[in-house]
Amino acid sequence: LAKTTQPISMDSYEGQEVNITCSHNNIATNDYITWYQQFPSQGPRFIIQGYKTKVTNEVSSLFIPADRKSSTLSLPRVSLSDTAVYYCLVGADDYKLSFGAGTTVTVRA
Amino acid sequence: DAGVTQSPTHLIKTRGQQVTLRCSPKSGHDTVSWYQQALGQGPQFIFQYYEEEERQRGNFPDRFSGHQFPNYSSELNVNALLLGDSALYLCASSLSQGMREKLFFGSGTQLSVL
Repeated sequence: LAKTTQPISMDSYEGQEVNITCSHNNIATNDYITWYQQFPSQGPRFIIQGYKTKVTNEVSSLFIPADRKSSTLSLPRVSLSDTAVYYCLVGADDYKLSFGAGTTVTVRA
Repeated sequence: DAGVTQSPTHLIKTRGQQVTLRCSPKSGHDTVSWYQQALGQGPQFIFQYYEEEERQRGNFPDRFSGHQFPNYSSELNVNALLLGDSALYLCASSLSQGMREKLFFGSGTQLSVL
């Protein structure tokens, strides 16, 4: 599994865009990049997954540069309910997924 | 469509005791993974079950064992409990074993070891 590095915490205000960058310098050719969101006392929830370039869904976008050594999760127009821990995972078919400490995003009114 | 369900939600045990946690996967899922999440940390992979066999295992001692039943439900057993085993235990199900499959998590079992 590729090692990932994310900021420990980020603060934002309602209505702003939040961008969380994850570094994964030793990503392998067949690795995918996946992001999860976790609220207190709940299990993580899948947000988005990508391999290269850009992926967008109804709640987020994932930007992956050509060298794939990093990725950025973008949360447009955040609300208070987006306050959570966000995890970046990188891997392929070896499924020993362990989450790092993640990024705690705090959205203020 | 029921998601992943775990029982019990909370449990208090004393050192040396044994505990069994249960998980029912999301409908249609055949793969179950277990995670341990200590306070302030991310979930750590314990093991994964597919076709009633342990397929992959994380860095956990043999005190942690599991089982998967023909209906794909699963149990996590922890023997000789230590204070350090206090954590949130999460079960996740998926359609297959690959990283590319979305994991669907339950809300977990909060285990306190006194």
